[in-house]
Amino acid sequence: QVQLVESGGGLVKPGGSLRLSCVASGFTFSDYYMSWIRQAPGKGLEWVSYISSSGKTIYYADSVKGRFTISRDNAKNSLYLQMNSLRAEDTAVYYCARSGYAYGYVYWGQGTLLTVSS
Amino acid sequence: QSALTQPASVSGSPGQSSTISCTATSSDVGDYNHVSWYQQHPGKAPNLILYDVSNRPSGVSNRFSGSKSGNTASLTISGLQAEDEADYYCSSYTNSNTWVFGGGTKVTVL
Repeated sequence: QVQLVESGGGLVKPGGSLRLSCVASGFTFSDYYMSWIRQAPGKGLEWVSYISSSGKTIYYADSVKGRFTISRDNAKNSLYLQMNSLRAEDTAVYYCARSGYAYGYVYWGQGTLLTVSS
Repeated sequence: QSALTQPASVSGSPGQSSTISCTATSSDVGDYNHVSWYQQHPGKAPNLILYDVSNRPSGVSNRFSGSKSGNTASLTISGLQAEDEADYYCSSYTNSNTWVFGGGTKVTVL
């Protein structure tokens, strides 16, 4: 069965950096585009970044452009999000999500919590 | 301010129908044909229930249906059940190759 398992969240001071990881299993990882989507505590969903199946095409939300970098290693079935210059407003549960139906995300991980606070 | 506007809450009695609207306030969503809907129970990851306005993924109940009129998409839940009590989010792919989400709607089953 499809599984997405995120890790790497934690408590970081403003201005700090962190890298999130998402390990995929149960499907051919290199066949699907992936995204990171986040949810601040008690708030709605916010799309963060997209990476194509090959890794050659990448897009970011304006709120993270220039600070976050998405990448993937298809040999390791892994998706990453390098986050620099972190701000309090980046505090959220970060989900990795897999495409599956048109532009809908059919599989989601359980999420990893990032807290940015001094 | 989200590019997609949803009501904060809707409610209905068991067996009734409830409809959630999702209005695009930005032209960046283009023809608005790539609208998806997600259900999220507390503490859980979102679950895709509709894509491309009205298509259901395999395994999703046919009590969930979608439609669109102009720049407003709608999710209708028929025959409300206690398990439908959750947050619902609309989302759209945009001409800028990004995705936008609505602010979410809390559905309460009375």
